[in-house]
Formats: sequence, C-alpha cells, structure tokens
Amino acid sequence: GAGVSQSPRYKVAKRGQDVALRCDPISGHVSLFWYQQALGQGPEFLTYFQNEAQLDKSGLPSDRFFAERPEGSVSTLKIQRTQQEDSAVYLCASSLGQLISGELFFGEGSRLTVL
Amino acid sequence: RKEVEQDPGPFNVPEGATVAFNCTYSNSASQSFFWYRQDCRKEPKLLMSVYSSGNEDGRFTAQLNRASQYISLLIRDSKLSDSATYLCVVPLYSSASKIIFGSGTRLSIRP
Repeated sequence: GAGVSQSPRYKVAKRGQDVALRCDPISGHVSLFWYQQALGQGPEFLTYFQNEAQLDKSGLPSDRFFAERPEGSVSTLKIQRTQQEDSAVYLCASSLGQLISGELFFGEGSRLTVL
Repeated sequence: RKEVEQDPGPFNVPEGATVAFNCTYSNSASQSFFWYRQDCRKEPKLLMSVYSSGNEDGRFTAQLNRASQYISLLIRDSKLSDSATYLCVVPLYSSASKIIFGSGTRLSIRP
C-alpha cells in the first residue's frame, strides 16, 4: 500500500496477556518510530529504528515492552503481561531518512484496551 | 522541565479570528522544528516545518525564537475546518533519532 499500515486496528486484551502489534512502513523508508498516545495526550516516544538497528529505546516504559524490525521493513511491538495502564493508541511512523529533511508518515494506530 | 511544552488549551474562538499557540523546548541543540495537526481519532499529519527566518503558508505562520527557545504558530482568518489538536514536534538530536511531540493544543472554531 501507499501508506503506513498497522494491525490490528483494535485489540482488547485481558490483563496479563501478551500482545503483538504490527507496522508495515512505507516501502523504502529507513526510519521507523513507535509512539504511545494516551487519551488527551500527545504521542510519547517509545523507540526508533534505522533500518534493522534499534538506535534508541529509551522511551520503552518497562522491560515488558519489546520492539523489533529484523529485516529493516516490518516492525513488531510486543507487550508482555499487559497491564491496564498499557491501554493507549500505539502509533507507528516512518520517514525516508532523517526528519530534518523529511516528514513523519503515521499509520492509523493500534488501539489497545486492557481489561 | 519537560523537553517540549505547549499551551494546554483548549482554545475556543469564533470563525474568522486570529489565534496563536506557543511551544517551548528545552534542548538548545535542537535544529529543526515542526507543527503537526491531529484530528480527533486520526493520526498526526505534518502541517508545516519551522525555519529560522520564520515561514508562512497561506493563513498559517510559524516562527522560531532560538534565544528564548520557543516556536509559535499563528492562524489567521480561522475556519471551522481548523478545529483540531496542534502538536509541536522537536527532534532532540541532529541525528533525529528521538523525536519528541508536545502534549498538543486543542483548537475549536465556532460558527
């Protein structure tokens, strides 16, 4: 597709379940970002990939959060043993190169609700 | 101090009014700045970049004040369709590996 694709769009999980969220960036985009957005807040940085290398994971809130991009294209954000405070929209964004020379293209997000 | 801070809003102004938002940033090494727009339950989209000399795009004007470390967005002759949340965006490093969004300013334009 032409844009960033995320799946699932909606996910309801019971507390303690593991979830996996997928992001298909725009073809050829080097940079990939994950953000967490709670209701009424701005997107909070989670992690950044340049191709397959995870260059910054300082925003991951705990060791229950794990992200990978093994072949430098599709990325997966995994949350283990979900907690209610993990409920949020998880946004994936990609850019051709560095943001300085381009823009971030966002997917529609994966809305996670933990019961 | 948070890395990026914005006027919280909400701003509720009549159609045709001029409205301005500010955003302050803490990292003096940041080189580039952006305003994004986010409609309700939608993903953020780039509105405009912010250049050192300031820049204008139709009814929208963005300015940067490096000395005071803030950027601003001015919207003239506001339209109903301008109702949205406006996000200030600051890459923290020259490598643009960590890109921080402000918490957003909500704008509502009334008829």
